[in-house]
Amino acid sequence: DSGVTQTPKHLITATGQRVTLRCSPRSGDLSVYWYQQSLDQGLQFLIQYYNGEERAKGNILERFSAQQFPDLHSELNLSSLELGDSALYFCASAESGDNEKLFFGSGTQLSVL
Amino acid sequence: QKEVEQDPGPLSVPEGAIVSLNCTYSNSAFQYFMWYRQYSRKGPELLMYTYSSGNKEDGRFTAQVDKSSKYISLFIRDSQPSDSATYLCAMSASSSASKIIFGSGTRLSIRP
Repeated sequence: DSGVTQTPKHLITATGQRVTLRCSPRSGDLSVYWYQQSLDQGLQFLIQYYNGEERAKGNILERFSAQQFPDLHSELNLSSLELGDSALYFCASAESGDNEKLFFGSGTQLSVL
Repeated sequence: QKEVEQDPGPLSVPEGAIVSLNCTYSNSAFQYFMWYRQYSRKGPELLMYTYSSGNKEDGRFTAQVDKSSKYISLFIRDSQPSDSATYLCAMSASSSASKIIFGSGTRLSIRP
């Protein structure tokens, strides 16, 4: 067990809808990362938060947003969902912002129908 | 051309065999090299983390980095059925994890 908790494990929704994925990092970790994993694109970095502030952005669509709360848990919001957004979404945490070793949660499997 | 290339497999070997997993890359600025193991329906788990060139050993696992050839390897000795998983190589030019580029993964199956 990595210590990173993600909910829900599975999410099935329809195109055009909005969903929220939740992540609780390991105790003491200040950085939270969100990744998308699909068969054709592999593991893609979306966005990083460090102690409540956005620190880095990757290949995140404008329809997607995230935030990190004072208790350090993070939420990834996906809106106007399309079929192509179906994927595994992982959250990972790390102690600090640099020289990091990532600890991944078990992911949320999103299916957009 | 992708920055990191990894043979997707699947690779199937008998229990007890030595397994060699490899990745090539094109960015000569990469200095941090990692191997992650991902079981089905689980998140990736960091196995090995190396900086620059050379070898690193941890139990049955050995990671090698050859920066001159832009080639990294993970060797698994005395392979066990529990080693059956997808192995992702990953690398970065920066110590920041947001810069990590992941390979697409090699599916490994160890036959009892």
